[in-house]
Amino acid sequence: DIQMTQSPSSLSASVGDRVTITCRASQSISNHLNWYQQKPGKAPKLLIYAASSLQSGVPSRFSGSGSGTDFTLTISSLQPEDFATYYCQQSYNTPPTFGQGTKLEIK
Amino acid sequence: EVQLLESGGGLVQPGGSLRLSCAASGFTFTRYAMSWVRQAPGKGLEWVSAISGSGGSTYYADSVKGRFTMSRDNSKNTLYLQMNSLRAEDTAVYYCAKAFSTSATSPWDYWGQGTLVTVSS
Repeated sequence: DIQMTQSPSSLSASVGDRVTITCRASQSISNHLNWYQQKPGKAPKLLIYAASSLQSGVPSRFSGSGSGTDFTLTISSLQPEDFATYYCQQSYNTPPTFGQGTKLEIK
Repeated sequence: EVQLLESGGGLVQPGGSLRLSCAASGFTFTRYAMSWVRQAPGKGLEWVSAISGSGGSTYYADSVKGRFTMSRDNSKNTLYLQMNSLRAEDTAVYYCAKAFSTSATSPWDYWGQGTLVTVSS
């Protein structure tokens, strides 16, 4: 199975900050990397697919980059509604696997 | 509007069985692969199983293989997860999720609200 490792596991930031979360795969996954946002008690929401494609309806302050084994999710200017947990997930092969999550908290 | 509505969760004893359902609407059900993804309390996300649009192919995580069976009734736009020989470690919120495409490994663009399964004596 492909192991996905996110860093950091938690992050404190302020409204308006630029934030970057990284995700590393244990082997090359080309661009088969997706990012989800999850708020407490809610289902995950797809933000970015295929490493850098913005899902319909997602604000443009979210962006993704990377290929191979190293990927990043960037939020250009944090908004109050962005405080949540973020997961990366590889869709290169079965079983699809997730990173352990990055909890983004208000400083 | 795409909607996924899970049901069937609850409290079950270790070794018991439970069947989850997911009623889908707002899209052409047969065109998309579907998955179940679970989340243990306070933990991260874990993919459980996937099924092709036709229902002809199924895939399972090693942790549930041989105990869980995923199926779909395309005439009812409904997804199922039959869970047997349940263990305490199966305790989680179970989400059904619609794949982006027909591929069982494609990302999930819509998720249900989740149904809680608790395995405890």
